[in-house]
Amino acid sequence: EAGVAQSPRYKIIEKRQSVAFWCNPISGHATLYWYQQILGQGPKLLIQFQNNGVVDDSQLPKDRFSAERLKGVDSTLKIQPAKLEDSAVYLCASTGGRVGLAGNYEQYFGPGTRLTVT
Amino acid sequence: GIQVEQSPPDLILQEGANSTLRCNFSDSVNNLQWFHQNPWGQLINLFYIPSGTKQNGRLSATTVATERYSLLYISSSQTTDSGVYFCASQEEYFNKFYFGSGTKLNVKP
Repeated sequence: EAGVAQSPRYKIIEKRQSVAFWCNPISGHATLYWYQQILGQGPKLLIQFQNNGVVDDSQLPKDRFSAERLKGVDSTLKIQPAKLEDSAVYLCASTGGRVGLAGNYEQYFGPGTRLTVT
Repeated sequence: GIQVEQSPPDLILQEGANSTLRCNFSDSVNNLQWFHQNPWGQLINLFYIPSGTKQNGRLSATTVATERYSLLYISSSQTTDSGVYFCASQEEYFNKFYFGSGTKLNVKP
């Protein structure tokens, strides 16, 4: 079974530029997550999708970050314009769980995209 | 949201030594996962353990859900065990995960 795919693996941009990250979850997984991990910290949830709907985007800086999962499969996270403090690893994860669905569903992560803003 | 605390924050071991990492969580959870983050930043699944004990080679984990903690045991540590270990607890209804701040392990030869 293929894992969670992400691209690019690395990106270096200047502040005020824009950048986009792509994620393809494990086949059949309804729930997709984007996390931001700053060096020395644990992953912080940015946005959670179930199929093509948003479950939680309370920690997404909506003035500069946007995300979509139009067909309920792959997803794109965009930053425009980027700031120095956006330098981090952006992780995508997926599970087979759904809101309100009883059961235990393991979360799987992609390799991440390391973003450096200069 | 659920608060997750990990201890110790840093751990230095000599190769061959054993260690125990702890994860405390503030509320009842549906799921508890342990991850190892490798030097390239990828989170590798170690255990999915909502309760009870599991073992995988030199690693084992125990979750006592009623007391809101989980332990990760590493026996006969190797230099390849170095990295950061995270636990993540899952809120039951919204399927949302909360991460601790990690334990950074350095195993010296």
